[in-house]
Amino acid sequence: EAQVTQNPRYLITVTGKKLTVTCSQNMNHEYMSWYRQDPGLGLRQIYYSMNVEVTDKGDVPEGYKVSRKEKRNFPLILESPSPNQTSLYFCASSLGGGPGNTIYFGEGSWLTVV
Amino acid sequence: GNSVTQMEGPVTLSEEAFLTINCTYTATGYPSLFWYVQYPGEGLQLLLKATKADDKGSNKGFEATYRKETTSFHLEKGSVQVSDSAVYFCALSDFRGNTPLVFGKGTRLSVIA
Repeated sequence: EAQVTQNPRYLITVTGKKLTVTCSQNMNHEYMSWYRQDPGLGLRQIYYSMNVEVTDKGDVPEGYKVSRKEKRNFPLILESPSPNQTSLYFCASSLGGGPGNTIYFGEGSWLTVV
Repeated sequence: GNSVTQMEGPVTLSEEAFLTINCTYTATGYPSLFWYVQYPGEGLQLLLKATKADDKGSNKGFEATYRKETTSFHLEKGSVQVSDSAVYFCALSDFRGNTPLVFGKGTRLSVIA
């Protein structure tokens, strides 16, 4: 089954404690990205990757890092989480660029930073 | 830059009512347009899409027509069900830019029996 898998789905952590949210897709997609969803703001892109070892900033990259060492994985790293990073995070992937490519989303990761 | 504006919710309808959720967009190129749906506690699912002007996307009784002249992609359904209660996101994709998918803020729909 084609899917995007994120872990953990739910996490409560403390300010400053480094954490990683993993994302894996089994569709051999080149393009992957991370979004955060906040009430009244919709989804905003954090980082994206067009292929292995190619990453770039989205609209709200501050406080986050990513890496793309393998095609299937695209982890999101919060080096020193702060309460304003409490949000619902989605990983997404698609076959590639170009109009009409369907983007597939993971089920989301609820992160609370206290 | 590219942007999507959709009507603010929440929208509350009775079962079998007609649904319209307005969506307009701003884009420099010729984007593809999408509607995504998020059911409670779940991730986003693609509901329908249209890749060029005058295309109509449809799925599960929902429809939306890509109107280039009015830069709109309004979502419609003739008879909603309780199971349609969800948050609906309009989005555009213009892969010539750096951000391939731009979302609206979402519209929460509640359908009551």
